[in-house]
Amino acid sequence: DIQMTQSPSSLSASVGDRVTITCQASQDIRNYLNWYQQKPGKAPKLLIYDASNLETGVPSRFNGSGSGTDFTFTISSLQPEDIATYYCQQYDYLFTFGPGTKVDIK
Amino acid sequence: QVQLVESGGGLVKPGGSLRLSCSASGFTFSDYYMLWIRQAPGKGLEWVSYINSGGRTTYYADSVKGRFTISRDNAKKSVFLQMNSLRAEDTAVYYCARVRGKQLALAYWGQGTLVTVSA
Repeated sequence: DIQMTQSPSSLSASVGDRVTITCQASQDIRNYLNWYQQKPGKAPKLLIYDASNLETGVPSRFNGSGSGTDFTFTISSLQPEDIATYYCQQYDYLFTFGPGTKVDIK
Repeated sequence: QVQLVESGGGLVKPGGSLRLSCSASGFTFSDYYMLWIRQAPGKGLEWVSYINSGGRTTYYADSVKGRFTISRDNAKKSVFLQMNSLRAEDTAVYYCARVRGKQLALAYWGQGTLVTVSA
């Protein structure tokens, strides 16, 4: 099975800061990596698919990059509405989610 | 617009069974893979099962293999999750989700249904 790790597990940042989350796969998953945002009590929302493609309607401050085993998710300028938990997910072999990164405002 | 509505959750005793349903609308249901994902209270997301568009190919997480069965009825635009031999660790909100297309990103999610396994 493919294992996914994320770091950090949580972070606090100020409005306007650049926020970076990393996701690492236990083996090569090519670019089959997606990113989701989940707010408390809500279903997850797809932000980035196939490592770097912005889902329709998602603000351009969200960005993804990487391939193989190492991936990065960036919020270029943190906004109050971005407070959420972010998950990576691979689908190179079945599906696996990362453990999540909780983002809040400092 | 795409809508997914889950139902069938509730309280069940350990060893019991439950059948979840997910009713879809707003798209050609028979064209898309469908998945079930769950989230235990205060925990992260866990993929449970998926079914291909025709319903002939299914896969399961090791944690539910042999106990859960996914199925779909394309005529009724619904996907189901039959859960048997339920355990306390199956307690979670269960979401159904639709893939984006060829990219197996989960572009649409239901609101979730809570399953509680407790004596």
